[in-house]
Amino acid sequence: DGGITQSPKYLFRKEGQNVTLSCEQNLNHDAMYWYRQDPGQGLRLIYYSQIVNDFQKGDIAEGYSVSREKKESFPLTVTSAQKNPTAFYLCASSHPGLAGADEQFFGPGTRLTVL
Amino acid sequence: EDQVTQSPEALRLQEGESSSLNCSYTVSGLRGLFWYRQDPGKGPEFLFTLYSAGEEKEKERLKATLTKKESFLHITAPKPEDSATYLCAVQEGTGGFKTIFGAGTRLFVKA
Repeated sequence: DGGITQSPKYLFRKEGQNVTLSCEQNLNHDAMYWYRQDPGQGLRLIYYSQIVNDFQKGDIAEGYSVSREKKESFPLTVTSAQKNPTAFYLCASSHPGLAGADEQFFGPGTRLTVL
Repeated sequence: EDQVTQSPEALRLQEGESSSLNCSYTVSGLRGLFWYRQDPGKGPEFLFTLYSAGEEKEKERLKATLTKKESFLHITAPKPEDSATYLCAVQEGTGGFKTIFGAGTRLFVKA
């Protein structure tokens, strides 16, 4: 089955800790993304990567870091510098559609709670 | 500024009561408009891509249409299992091809 997996499903963090969220895809997509979802708001882009060993900051990158060492994997680290990390985190990957639009496909999400 | 606005924020329907969700957008060139369905606690599920004004796509009880300024997601004779949040997203066609998401419409269908 082709798809995107995220782990863990639930994650609890104490203040001052760094935590890493996993995202793996076997769709052979070049581009991968991390979004944050808060109640009543649209998805906000944290980081994206269009190719291995390259990534760019999104709209809310402060307090987050990523790596893209393999095409299939795009882990997100939430550092202690992120002041309000409690949220639902979504990973996505994309390929160009028939007419060129980049349809994104999402993983099941990780819910991070700061204790 | 590129923007995507969805309305209403929430919609309550009786089973079989057809209605439409709205997605209005302002973007510098449109590369594509996407609709997704999201169930509580899950990732969004891709439904449709629309590319140009006048285009329509259908899937079961859902039909998406596109004009130059907005898109509608029509739900015909909805069932309780259609209850979900429906997200609209727009990919701009200039610069970095950024995708912007709306906040979504929460749909509740009562039996």
